[in-house]
Amino acid sequence: NAGVTQTPKFQVLKTGQSMTLQCAQDMNHNSMYWYRQDPGMGLRLIYYSASEGTTDKGEVPNGYNVSRLNKREFSLRLESAAPSQTSVYFCASGRDFSYEQYFGPGTRLTVT
Amino acid sequence: KNQVEQSPQSLIILEGKNCTLQCNYTVSPFSNLRWYKQDTGRGPVSLTIMTFSENTKSNGRYTATLDADTKQSSLHITASQLSDSASYICVVSNSNYQLIWGAGTKLIIKP
Repeated sequence: NAGVTQTPKFQVLKTGQSMTLQCAQDMNHNSMYWYRQDPGMGLRLIYYSASEGTTDKGEVPNGYNVSRLNKREFSLRLESAAPSQTSVYFCASGRDFSYEQYFGPGTRLTVT
Repeated sequence: KNQVEQSPQSLIILEGKNCTLQCNYTVSPFSNLRWYKQDTGRGPVSLTIMTFSENTKSNGRYTATLDADTKQSSLHITASQLSDSASYICVVSNSNYQLIWGAGTKLIIKP
């Protein structure tokens, strides 16, 4: 039982490049989330998926797109990376919105 | 405006001592309040989740309290250990499916 897994763990991009962050959970959870955490700051919600087939914007969605590929997988795409997107990205899942969330180990992204 | 404020911002205590972290919120309509522990470089881990009707909830050496009237919560850590060094984050959810995250309290336990 791996919980929530994220790939890659580290990534360096040049401004304007694109990439997709992958997230998968094996807990049969309905809800999945993408957060970013800047140094010394709290987590901010980028996008979430309340259930398979649905996605909604969070607090800071600009510059990102998401896909809920199936119940297990939720990916985050940066179409044209900017230095302001340098951050640690966490994926999380939960039984549904009312329940606790389980977090992955994070992806450390640097955009130069 | 929905807000969650935590205090202190940081705290240093000696191993074996107790401490209490505070969380004040202005979130409505209230659904539940959660405390997470985040070790440096890792994702948050849930400690407790409390609904409106719960005043106290324990998880080992961690005890959370909730006063829904004054919109305050506290997290008390008993007999601290070096492994308790982490950031502790208070999160409040409302009935509109929003989660409002506090900035966290950074706790350092010194031997």
